[in-house]
Amino acid sequence: EADIYQTPRYLVIGTGKKITLECSQTMGHDKMYWYQQDPGMELHLIHYSYGVNSTEKGDLSSESTVSRIRTEHFPLTLESARPSHTSQYLCASSDGLAGGPLFFGPGTRLTVL
Amino acid sequence: AQTVTQSQPEMSVQEAETVTLSCTYDTSESDYYLFWYKQPPSRQMILVIRQEAYKQQNATENRFSVNFQKAAKSFSLKISDSQLGDAAMYFCAYRSPSGGSGTYKYIFGTGTRLKVLA
Repeated sequence: EADIYQTPRYLVIGTGKKITLECSQTMGHDKMYWYQQDPGMELHLIHYSYGVNSTEKGDLSSESTVSRIRTEHFPLTLESARPSHTSQYLCASSDGLAGGPLFFGPGTRLTVL
Repeated sequence: AQTVTQSQPEMSVQEAETVTLSCTYDTSESDYYLFWYKQPPSRQMILVIRQEAYKQQNATENRFSVNFQKAAKSFSLKISDSQLGDAAMYFCAYRSPSGGSGTYKYIFGTGTRLKVLA
């Protein structure tokens, strides 16, 4: 079944650790996105990609980095986690067709101690 | 720049009743797309309904319908026969038309928390 997957779903980690949040989609979408969302609050776009080897920063400045080596895979990396990075991270994709909606993954809830 | 405004941080509705969530947006474009998303507590964000700006007919999906007023730049969501499972954060979103290089943006409102009272 075509879907969008994120792992891990929950992560509790200490300050200074390097982490990678995984996002994969089997929907065949070219466009992928990372949003940061504090619980029950608005979404902030932090990264997006329009295809392989294409990545752009979003509206909210983030210390994270992303890569897009394969169409279906769009991981997000934090080189040195800090408590200010505690948040929920949502991965999304779209097919790029006129008016296509975003499809969201289940999210990763990150807590940095 | 395009903006999306949801002026109701929180709404409550009695089970089986009808509720309307408000959304206004600002754009200079004539062709764009609007969406309502639902995010239940600790669960995945899902698409509720989609509207194309060039279509005058309001979109409907079962108990969910929209009131799209293009001139007023208003896009409200009506939920009929509310159920306990409708309790969630609801986000209104705008998608710009594709640019020359195929780029476009999704812009989200700040959300409305809907509580359903038994």
